[in-house]
Amino acid sequence: EVHLLESGGGLVQPGGSLRLSCEASGFTFITSAMIWVRQAPGKGLEWVSAISHSGGSTYSADSVRGRFTISRDNSKNTLYLQMNNLRAEDTAVYYCAKDLRQYDSGGIFDSWGQGTLVTVSS
Amino acid sequence: DIQMTQSPSSVSASVGDTVTITCRASQDISKWLVWYQQKPVKAPKLLIYTSSTLQTGVPSRFSGGGSGTEFTLTISSLQPEDFATYYCQQANSFPYTFGQGTKVEI
Repeated sequence: EVHLLESGGGLVQPGGSLRLSCEASGFTFITSAMIWVRQAPGKGLEWVSAISHSGGSTYSADSVRGRFTISRDNSKNTLYLQMNNLRAEDTAVYYCAKDLRQYDSGGIFDSWGQGTLVTVSS
Repeated sequence: DIQMTQSPSSVSASVGDTVTITCRASQDISKWLVWYQQKPVKAPKLLIYTSSTLQTGVPSRFSGGGSGTEFTLTISSLQPEDFATYYCQQANSFPYTFGQGTKVEI
């Protein structure tokens, strides 16, 4: 059974940094593309970033490009999202998800973690 | 960016009803349309991908269709566990974009 467990969320001041982690199990992580999606309180879903199976290709939304960095450690079956220069509008539940397509992202997310809440406030 | 527009934003229905949700893309996305279901304080769940392919384990009362710019999600014989919010998402190109959601409520 696929299991994705996010951690690292919390309260941070504007301009601060956080690193989210997503521990994966139950599938072959090393061949799977992965993504981050966020959901602001009471709002819809927003795709944030994607990474290929090797980490060699990454893609990010304009709203986070230059501030957020997606990465992975295949030896630890773990996905990361480094978030710098955080803004109030980054407040959201952040989900990691597995892409249905192998190797590179195909945009179909078949397994999701439970999410971790990031609150940016002074 | 490709804009995704769902209608209606919410729909009231009863157990046993058939509900249809529409999703429109701002440009041609061929068959690259995905549907998710989300219940309160839960992660989204994949229902349908490539417009009409049912994800493993999803009941057959869910069906999807369409291509190009107009797509539909139909829930036949609505069950109590189907009351949730449904999102469409285009998987044609980056940045992946979602519709604003449709809440199916009693």
